Amino acid sequence: EAQVTQNPRYLITVTGKKLTVTCSQNMNHEYMSWYRQDPGLGLRQIYYSMNVEVTDKGDVPEGYKVSRKEKRNFPLILESPSPNQTSLYFCASSLSTLSYEQYFGPGTRLTVT
Amino acid sequence: AQSVTQLGSHVSVSEGALVLLRCNYSSSVPPYLFWYVQYPNQGLQLLLKYTTGATLVKGINGFEAEFKKSETSFHLTKPSAHMSDAAEYFCAVSDPREGGSEKLVFGKGTKLTVNP
Repeated sequence: EAQVTQNPRYLITVTGKKLTVTCSQNMNHEYMSWYRQDPGLGLRQIYYSMNVEVTDKGDVPEGYKVSRKEKRNFPLILESPSPNQTSLYFCASSLSTLSYEQYFGPGTRLTVT
Repeated sequence: AQSVTQLGSHVSVSEGALVLLRCNYSSSVPPYLFWYVQYPNQGLQLLLKYTTGATLVKGINGFEAEFKKSETSFHLTKPSAHMSDAAEYFCAVSDPREGGSEKLVFGKGTKLTVNP
């Protein structure tokens, strides 16, 4: 089954404790992206990757890092999480450019206390 | 930079009535335009998209949208609302950058309620 998977689905952590949210797709997609969703703000793009050689900042990259060492995986890293990073996070992928449909993962709900 | 404005954070319609969700964007170049739907506690699903060609785009579940360049709009419509259409709807626009990379900008969303 073609899908985007994220792990963990739910995470409660404390301020400053490094964490990684994994994202993997099995569709051989070039484009991958991370979004955060907050009430009243919609979805905001954190980072995106056109392919394994090109990664760029979205609208809200501060406090996040990403890595695209292989095509299928695009982990999101929070080196020192803070409470303002409490949010619902979505990973997405598409075949290549944005003219193609983006497929979204199920989401990761992160709480930082 | 691109921006997207969705007029009305909440829209309520009666079952069987017309659904109209408004989306305006700012763009200096022809954009790609999208509507996504999010059902409660789920991820996002593409309803429809405009890339090139015909400006009236038909999507899933009876929805359609029309790209109007002169009005910089991409409003979503459905002739007759169904209870199952209750969800949050997001308009999005592509934002091409130098070097060929593309980021996606979402509106803040419109929550649709369908009353029996």
